[in-house]
Amino acid sequence: GAVVSQHPSRVICKSGTSVKIECRSLDFQATTMFWYRQFPKQSLMLMATSNEGSKATYEQGVEKDKFLINHASLTLSTLTVTSAHPEDSSFYICSARDSGSGGQETQYFGPGTRLLVL
Amino acid sequence: GQNIDQPTEMTATEGAIVQINCTYQTSGFNGLFWYQQHAGEAPTFLSYNVLDGLEEKGRFSSFLSRSKGYSYLLLKELQMKDSASYLCAVSGRTGRRALTFGSGTRLQVQP
Repeated sequence: GAVVSQHPSRVICKSGTSVKIECRSLDFQATTMFWYRQFPKQSLMLMATSNEGSKATYEQGVEKDKFLINHASLTLSTLTVTSAHPEDSSFYICSARDSGSGGQETQYFGPGTRLLVL
Repeated sequence: GQNIDQPTEMTATEGAIVQINCTYQTSGFNGLFWYQQHAGEAPTFLSYNVLDGLEEKGRFSSFLSRSKGYSYLLLKELQMKDSASYLCAVSGRTGRRALTFGSGTRLQVQP
């Protein structure tokens, strides 16, 4: 299957700092990537849809000024958590759909980034 | 809106068969996915159903009934390594390709 990478895999930061997470599709192009957040023992919650060359679409309740998304190329999307606070501590996972897969809807997930804000 | 229900926890014995059910109510439908997620890791793709019927892939099979808003994941010849959470997810209407996930079913395989 297709491979999606995320970097970093784990980050610990102080409250008030900003953290950038990268999501890359390694062997396919993805015009659309998705960012999810998962709290312990809960399921994945969609935060936003990242569109190459245009603005991201945010889900209700997700602050676009706090979670900045940039999708500058067909293989890279970044999520920046600005002025992080302890309540932002979570497991952040990106996924990507292969743009060349036609009607195939399968999304491939990155390995996730565990963020801990002290 | 979208609503996806699946059991919270299940327990089964090594070597046995287990069926994990999922019911959904969505505005538009572009397919149903099953993912496996081990603790602390990202989900890995198991199956995709967009038409009614059974899809078999090795020890795992997935079934879909669109008219009933129902799917199940069938795991055969259970192994200890199958202990994980199994996530049912639905792709909504065309143009909105993001997945809506159920809460996940934690499966514990016992010796």
